[in-house]
Amino acid sequence: EPEVTQTPSHQVTQMGQEVILRCVPISNHLYFYWYRQILGQKVEFLVSFYNNEISEKSEIFDDQFSVERPDGSNFTLKIRSTKLEDSAMYFCASRGTAGETQYFGPGTRLLVL
Amino acid sequence: EDQVTQSPEALRLQEGESSSLNCSYTVSGLRGLFWYRQDPGKGPEFLFTLYSAGEEKEKERLKATLTKKESFLHITAPKPEDSATYLCAVQDMDTGRRALTFGSGTRLQVQP
Repeated sequence: EPEVTQTPSHQVTQMGQEVILRCVPISNHLYFYWYRQILGQKVEFLVSFYNNEISEKSEIFDDQFSVERPDGSNFTLKIRSTKLEDSAMYFCASRGTAGETQYFGPGTRLLVL
Repeated sequence: EDQVTQSPEALRLQEGESSSLNCSYTVSGLRGLFWYRQDPGKGPEFLFTLYSAGEEKEKERLKATLTKKESFLHITAPKPEDSATYLCAVQDMDTGRRALTFGSGTRLQVQP
């Protein structure tokens, strides 16, 4: 069964450093999303991406964040200068053209020290 | 602003003891309501999508139902492997957004 994959599974970084989180969406899906979940809190929407453009973003997704589809299979989230409060699980999700269901990856646990 | 409230926060059941989880929502217009299962340290695993009031979906021991204000996830004769956090999320139609708004989840523990 096709699934969303994410790398790395864990990332530890120093405050102020740049990190890139990678996702491979389900192969025939065209809509891509990033969400995050701070420990013990709700899953929160960050950004959605379609046709090489951001289609919507939350207020969390400020200028420190960017997304890119560098090739036909990868979808990345870059955090330019990490802060302590960026520590969270980051989930990538993708959706096909039939229906509204978003399928989530296993997540990347980011720890900012 | 879309809101999703799940109850109870935590539920402990004996194996075979059926129960229901509740998801109350407020949206200007519902595009879809989604149930996911989340194991500790893992990503949300898709269970069901419901689009309109009166709709029901079933899979093994789980059944999801939808009204205009809430959804229920019924668990029949649960097993220990059903232990997980169950997340409800809604998608608002009127704003044209596709972002999911999640509830805090119900943490289910099924004891043998």
